[in-house]
Amino acid sequence: QVQLVQSGAEVEKPGASVKVSCKVSGYTLTKLSMHWVRQAPGEGLEWMGGFDPEDGETVYAQKFQGRVTMTEDTSTDTAYMQLSSLRSEDTAVYYCAKLSSGYYQGGYYYYMDVWGKGTTVTVSS
Amino acid sequence: SYELTQPPSVSVSAGQTATISCSGDKLGEQYACWYQQKPGQSPVLVIYQDTKRPSGIPERFSGSNSGNTATLTITGTQAMDEADYFCQAWDSSTVVFGGGTKLTVL
Repeated sequence: QVQLVQSGAEVEKPGASVKVSCKVSGYTLTKLSMHWVRQAPGEGLEWMGGFDPEDGETVYAQKFQGRVTMTEDTSTDTAYMQLSSLRSEDTAVYYCAKLSSGYYQGGYYYYMDVWGKGTTVTVSS
Repeated sequence: SYELTQPPSVSVSAGQTATISCSGDKLGEQYACWYQQKPGQSPVLVIYQDTKRPSGIPERFSGSNSGNTATLTITGTQAMDEADYFCQAWDSSTVVFGGGTKLTVL
């Protein structure tokens, strides 16, 4: 059974960077497509980016282009999400999630079937 | 960019049927999925590929998708179903979420 174990809460100052980790257990990181989603207090889910199984590349949401970097350490089955130039609006819970996909009747379908417990990132001076 | 629109809130009496809509341009031509999120918890997948339930999700949860609207239906809603629900689709290599619907069970 796949589990995603995220790193602990972080408190950062505006302008700093934060790096959140997500360790995969029960599976191999290279065989899955990892994505990152965040949720600001009282708000909805916001997709940040992840591995596109169609193109074989990491795709970032336009909103975070230039500020986010998603990497993987296959030797430890750990995925990382680094967000730079932090501002107060980046205060949120950050989730890693496994994207699964399939093909049926001429179209692909995608869904996130395993989620980490989330990492709270607080940006405050 | 592609957008998915959900009603902010839906109320239902316990035991009745709750329906939550998710609208997007030609959404019925692609696949949608749904997540349930309770306070302080991570989202949980309840419907994928428009209509399929993951293992462990009760049969009272069902989904449909046609035209411009995907719908999550909860038949015989229970108090434990009170939560936020988010729809999700895939558009041009990006994941798109709806804004979420808070389901209140009266």
